Amino acid sequence: GESVGLHLPTLSVQEGDNSIINCAYSNSASDYFIWYKQESGKGPQFIIDIRSNMDKRQGQRVTVLLNKTVKHLSLQIAATQPGDSAVYFCAETGANSKLTFGKGITLSVRP
Amino acid sequence: SAVISQKPSRDICQRGTSLTIQCQVDSQVTMMFWYRQQPGQSLTLIATANQGSEATYESGFVIDKFPISRPNLTFSTLTVSNMSPEDSSIYLCSVEVGTSGRTSQFFGPGTRLTVL
Repeated sequence: GESVGLHLPTLSVQEGDNSIINCAYSNSASDYFIWYKQESGKGPQFIIDIRSNMDKRQGQRVTVLLNKTVKHLSLQIAATQPGDSAVYFCAETGANSKLTFGKGITLSVRP
Repeated sequence: SAVISQKPSRDICQRGTSLTIQCQVDSQVTMMFWYRQQPGQSLTLIATANQGSEATYESGFVIDKFPISRPNLTFSTLTVSNMSPEDSSIYLCSVEVGTSGRTSQFFGPGTRLTVL
């Protein structure tokens, strides 16, 4: 069936470095993608989204890139901080608003 | 965005019992969703709950096990019935916020359920 998956289960980065979290999706009909951050004991927090008619969108310290040709989504975090340590999920959806989540990747920031 | 609260935040229950989880939103929303997140796993959609209609369940989830109510546009409940240890999970509600063509889903803090 269709699925959304992440390439790496964990990512360790040095504080101050840039982080790149990658995600592959397989449903070519997906037209809306979201990155969520989930801290321990909390619900997923919306970070940034992108629609399929765009290939890049920037927020505060975060950038999402979408490559529809290879069905690839990435989240870039600039100047990673200890507060960025969390599990990150990509999610995709189409016309029915149902979100399909990827497996999640743990970002660990080294001081 | 939307402010979403859930009650209880956590509970420990005995097998065979049932637990009802409440989800309250600070604004009127059409679409609400219930998810399950098993330990160390990603989120899986249980059902979509729209006001005024029966909830729509995903494959693998049935109304007898997870009855849902949606009495108005700001509130929903999910009941986990006849619980077993396999039901130990975090249960999350989410809401869709925005206008046509520009909507996003926002999540509540979750209810951490442990079944003994």
